[in-house]
Amino acid sequence: AQSVTQLDSQVPVFEEAPVELRCNYSSSVSVYLFWYVQYPNQGLQLLLKYLSGSTLVESINGFEAEFNKSQTSFHLRKPSVHISDTAEYFCAVSDGNTGKLIFGQGTTLQVKP
Amino acid sequence: EPEVTQTPSHQVTQMGQEVILRCVPISNHLYFYWYRQILGQKVEFLVSFYNNEISEKSEIFDDQFSVERPDGSNFTLKIRSTKLEDSAMYFCASSPVPGGTQYFGPGTRLTVL
Repeated sequence: AQSVTQLDSQVPVFEEAPVELRCNYSSSVSVYLFWYVQYPNQGLQLLLKYLSGSTLVESINGFEAEFNKSQTSFHLRKPSVHISDTAEYFCAVSDGNTGKLIFGQGTTLQVKP
Repeated sequence: EPEVTQTPSHQVTQMGQEVILRCVPISNHLYFYWYRQILGQKVEFLVSFYNNEISEKSEIFDDQFSVERPDGSNFTLKIRSTKLEDSAMYFCASSPVPGGTQYFGPGTRLTVL
């Protein structure tokens, strides 16, 4: 069975500081990995994904994540956060067969001025 | 840009009543999903649907739940005899391929009184 662990439930950070949101997964098969973002009172939006190829993936708004197979991790990073990045971030894994997404518990990123 | 839509945005119902949550997936997508998020908890997979039949369902998706694609555009989740613990945000998602990017709707907030 697959599972996802997000090690931090809340991450407070000051504006323009770097941030890392941690995600570890467990699976017996090859996986696809995703980060979704949920802004207050909104639905889930795809931030970035790893399906294959380069282990470093980037989003259009400055986030990046690196797939590390040996450490079974897919941590999300941004070198300089903005107030507008305040949201809930969910890491998710899929086995590519059924398409079912297994989500982590979520990490609340709180960017302070 | 095409998007997944869901109606209603908020549904209030009395315990024991039946509700139908509606979703219109992206038109050329073939794989459909329902997830739920109880307030303060993680997003949980309910069911996946392909080729007019359920391809996978979770333990949560018992006989109280059913899904249907009544026409070429709508994808519905029916909850019979609602319980207080069914109160949650319900998300519909669609994908062109299994294991690929799932595009989520804005969700329906179900409140059972």
